[in-house]
Amino acid sequence: GQQVMQIPQYQHVQEGEDFTTYCNSSTTLSNIQWYKQRPGGHPVFLIQLVKSGEVKKQKRLTFQFGEAKKNSSLHITATQTTDVGTYFCAGQVASGTYKYIFGTGTRLKVLA
Amino acid sequence: DGGITQSPKYLFRKEGQNVTLSCEQNLNHDAMYWYRQDPGQGLRLIYYSQIVNDFQKGDIAEGYSVSREKKESFPLTVTSAQKNPTAFYLCASSILPGQGRTEAFFGQGTRLTVV
Repeated sequence: GQQVMQIPQYQHVQEGEDFTTYCNSSTTLSNIQWYKQRPGGHPVFLIQLVKSGEVKKQKRLTFQFGEAKKNSSLHITATQTTDVGTYFCAGQVASGTYKYIFGTGTRLKVLA
Repeated sequence: DGGITQSPKYLFRKEGQNVTLSCEQNLNHDAMYWYRQDPGQGLRLIYYSQIVNDFQKGDIAEGYSVSREKKESFPLTVTSAQKNPTAFYLCASSILPGQGRTEAFFGQGTRLTVV
């Protein structure tokens, strides 16, 4: 079946270090979204990428969508303690459905 | 104040009992979804619906049932047939693809524990 894998599963960084999570799909995606879930909370939308090779930035966060539209990455520059949480990608398969497949998530801990 | 509301926040169920989780949205979204999240795990799709009186099974529908009698409401029933129902359940809604940015808006979740 369709799968979306994320690596790493966990990441501990010192405050100020950079962080990257990678998302890989077994099938071509029509678009990909990224969400952040704080501990004990619910996922909150961060961004949607649609075009092949697209790069978007939100302050210290940089999102990329691969040329083949099967992979994506989220990079955080100079992490802060407020970045703590689990980051999920969610891919919409390019089959005309409106179903999103969520990745397994990367849990980020930032040590002050 | 628009949003998506799940109730209750915490729910305890005895083995062998059915239980229904509520999900209501006033965002006028056509699509609604139910996900299950286990500790340290990602989100797995249980059921989703595009339109009233229509819904499709997700990846882990066995032991669950849903209804969509109103656009605003998408309740999930966890039946006694669900072997391991203890989990965090998240409801979400969105507009349909082709209508703009299809971000999912999530409720606060219901934490179900079988005792």
